[in-house]
Amino acid sequence: RKEVEQDPGPFNVPEGATVAFNCTYSNSASQSFFWYRQDCRKEPKLLMSVYSSGNEDGRFTAQLNRASQYISLLIRDSKLSDSATYLCVVNNDSWGKFQFGAGTQVVVTP
Amino acid sequence: DAGVIQSPRHEVTEMGQEVTLRCKPISGHDYLFWYRQTMMRGLELLIYFNNNVPIDDSGMPEDRFSAKMPNASFSTLKIQPSEPRDSAVYFCASSLADGEGYTFGSGTRLTVV
Repeated sequence: RKEVEQDPGPFNVPEGATVAFNCTYSNSASQSFFWYRQDCRKEPKLLMSVYSSGNEDGRFTAQLNRASQYISLLIRDSKLSDSATYLCVVNNDSWGKFQFGAGTQVVVTP
Repeated sequence: DAGVIQSPRHEVTEMGQEVTLRCKPISGHDYLFWYRQTMMRGLELLIYFNNNVPIDDSGMPEDRFSAKMPNASFSTLKIQPSEPRDSAVYFCASSLADGEGYTFGSGTRLTVV
């Protein structure tokens, strides 16, 4: 079993709609969680950290469910510019060894 | 800050040649990471440094790969000799250990023919 698993998608989303997807992790001792965004042929960029209480940044909401060992990302009012691959990232132990998921592709259509 | 700077952006080389990839981390960041990304394997951590010291190189695929960080503002990843299966995008990233994730460079797209 992979340490971090994501549905690869693609999630095809009409502009203005809401899309949500999850990421599961295998290590119950995982401490830090992030969502990164990667555009085609570009580097990954930090989208948001995921806090235990859940957090929101504009149209993006991230949540952590420790009991079921998953994190989620919800995008409201999708824009064409939200089309990208979203990478789930988990830090298990000492700072540095982040585990990246393979990514979930989101395609927002007009 | 200019961010994490990698060079070259693209490299095409013949099998058997030596390849050197370069990275300048964000000033003040004390962690530096080298990743490789392919369609098949996704993002793989090759090695990371803390305060210029290699901490974990368990992801380095084989002895053909080596990495150095002679000072806080410069790191290299060397492949000698290169092979076609080394073709990938190599990313460098840096961070503080403040719980706020990494910043990636723009990557080096390596093609070995």
